[in-house]
This record gives sequence, structure tokens and C-alpha cells, in this order.
Amino acid sequence: EVQLVESGGGLVQPGRSLRLSCAASGFTFDDYAMHWVRQAPGKGLEWVSGISWNSGSIGYADSVKGRFTISRDNAKNSLYLQMNSLRAEDTALYYCAKDIVIAAAGGTAFDYWGQGTLVTVSS
Amino acid sequence: EIVLTQSPGTLSLSPGERATLSCRASQSVSSSYLAWYQQKPGQAPRLLIYGASSRATGIPDRFSGSGSGTDFTLTISRLEPEDFAVYYCQQYGSSHTFGQGTKLEIK
Repeated sequence: EVQLVESGGGLVQPGRSLRLSCAASGFTFDDYAMHWVRQAPGKGLEWVSGISWNSGSIGYADSVKGRFTISRDNAKNSLYLQMNSLRAEDTALYYCAKDIVIAAAGGTAFDYWGQGTLVTVSS
Repeated sequence: EIVLTQSPGTLSLSPGERATLSCRASQSVSSSYLAWYQQKPGQAPRLLIYGASSRATGIPDRFSGSGSGTDFTLTISRLEPEDFAVYYCQQYGSSHTFGQGTKLEIK
């Protein structure tokens, strides 16, 4: 059974940093690109960042470019999101999601999602 | 950036009726790289359709997707009570973007 479990969320002050983690199991992690998608309270979905299976291709939404860094450790079946210079508008539930297609460099649709970790940016 | 516009914002229908949800892209979506997701309150999104018309594993055949270029449609042939939720389209042909969602509510 595929499982994605996010952690690392919490309350943080504007301008501070936070690191999210996603622990994956139930599939061959290093075969698939992975992504972070967020959802502000009561709002829609926003793709944040994605990373290819071998970390050779990485992308970011314009809203987080230069502030967030995605990475993965295939030996640990884990995905990360380092979030710096946090703003109030970064407040959201952050989901980790898996590509549906093996070894897709640009990312595809997302067939499995975690339950999310909540990040609240407030003073 | 490709902008996706979903319509209507809210759709009110009764169980047993047919639902037609629209997703329009600001520019052509390459290779029909378009997906549809269903999200219920307090739950993560669930993939329904990818590649514009391919059903994901375990998705009932009352869900179907169609379209190409800039116009895409999700059709639910006969609504079941569990189908009332919010639906999002996503394009993944040029980076990734989501539509703003359509809320399907019980009439």
C-alpha cells in the first residue's frame, strides 16, 4: 500500500524558516518524480514544487521561487521542502504527491497524496 | 503560465442526474496533459482522470473525461451521493497549474 506521510509543519513567524518532510513507502520511491502542492484555508490547490526521480529536473511556482528548495533522499525514501523567508500568504496545508508515470522528467498527474501538514505563518 | 478556468463555480444537481464540468485553458495544453481530481472536505485530492480521458485505477466508469487543446470536460453520467464534492482540473504539459475548482452540490 502506497503511503505518503508529511511532517514538519507548525506555527512560524514571518521571515523565519521551516523544513517539511515526506516519508514514502509502498512503492519504489526512486522511480518517480515527487511534488509539493499546497492549499490555503478554504482555497484551491496550488502546485509548489516538483523534483524528478534522480533530482535532475526541479521546478518551482513563481510564488516560491528563490525562497523554497525541494530535495529528496532516495536512500531514505524521503522528500523535503526547505522554506525560507516565510510570508503570511504561505499559510496552507502542504501535501506531498507522487507522479503516476515512472521516470517522467517534467512531472505528470498525481496518483497518491499524503494527508498534508499545516504551515501557519503569523506573528 | 497556463491559466485554467473552471465553470461553473457551483453546480447544483440531484442524484441520478448527469454532471458536466468544464475546464478551459489560456493556451493549448500539450499532448492533452490534463487531469481531474475530486476533493471532499477534510480529505486529500483523489485522481480521477489523467491524459484528458484515461481513468485512474479504481475510478468508476460513470466518470469520463474528454477534450483537447484548450477545452476539456469531466462528465459524471449518473450522480451518486458520494460524488458531491469539489473538482479540480490540472494541466501538466507546461509546469503545473490547477483550476480554481467547481463545487458540485446536492440540489
